[in-house]
Amino acid sequence: GGIITQTPKFLIGQEGQKLTLKCQQNFNHDTMYWYRQDSGKGLRLIYYSITENDLQKGDLSEGYDASREKKSSFSLTVTSAQKNEMAVFLCASSRDINSGNTLYFGEGSRLIVV
Amino acid sequence: QQQVRQSSQSLTVWEGETAILNCSYENSAFDYFPWYQQFPGEGPALLIAIRSVSDKKEDGRFTIFFNKREKNLSLHIKDSQPGDSATYFCAASRGGTGSNRLTFGKGTKFSLIP
Repeated sequence: GGIITQTPKFLIGQEGQKLTLKCQQNFNHDTMYWYRQDSGKGLRLIYYSITENDLQKGDLSEGYDASREKKSSFSLTVTSAQKNEMAVFLCASSRDINSGNTLYFGEGSRLIVV
Repeated sequence: QQQVRQSSQSLTVWEGETAILNCSYENSAFDYFPWYQQFPGEGPALLIAIRSVSDKKEDGRFTIFFNKREKNLSLHIKDSQPGDSATYFCAASRGGTGSNRLTFGKGTKFSLIP
């Protein structure tokens, strides 16, 4: 088994601020993902990384940057936080990109913009 | 255009009843359909999945019924229990190397009448 750890669990920032969320996995999975979850809107893919040092844009990448520092970690940066960005951000991993239909999720990080 | 559609944003049933959560999809190339279960404060977790070559998949009290011709599927929760209260996401992906990214529906929040 393994676990995905997201930090922080709650991130409070000011409008216009640059904010970073971190994710660590110990599954030894190749592929990692960042999703945004808004109430009533489901899960939308922001960025994913097929393997270490790779970065791919998802459907909602504008306003975000990502970084795959090493195989086990994947960070997401909100480049300029806006109040309409308050949501839960979910990190996930899969064994590899061909196994991307089986995802393991972290518990989520809630972004609050004041 | 929504690729995966869940017909109800919420569903409430009496304890012990069978709950039916419906899902439909647009892309005929989709061939793998997982359902994810999410409890409050947690990330989604894979509950049960079906491939398009099958029309039924059962796992304990949970059953997926799949209709390829109509492009819809449903998750049946038999003998609903309080511990089943959660949000359920229908998802879909298509086969082929590197194209197994999941497309999620918006989710159905399921609860029991106390």
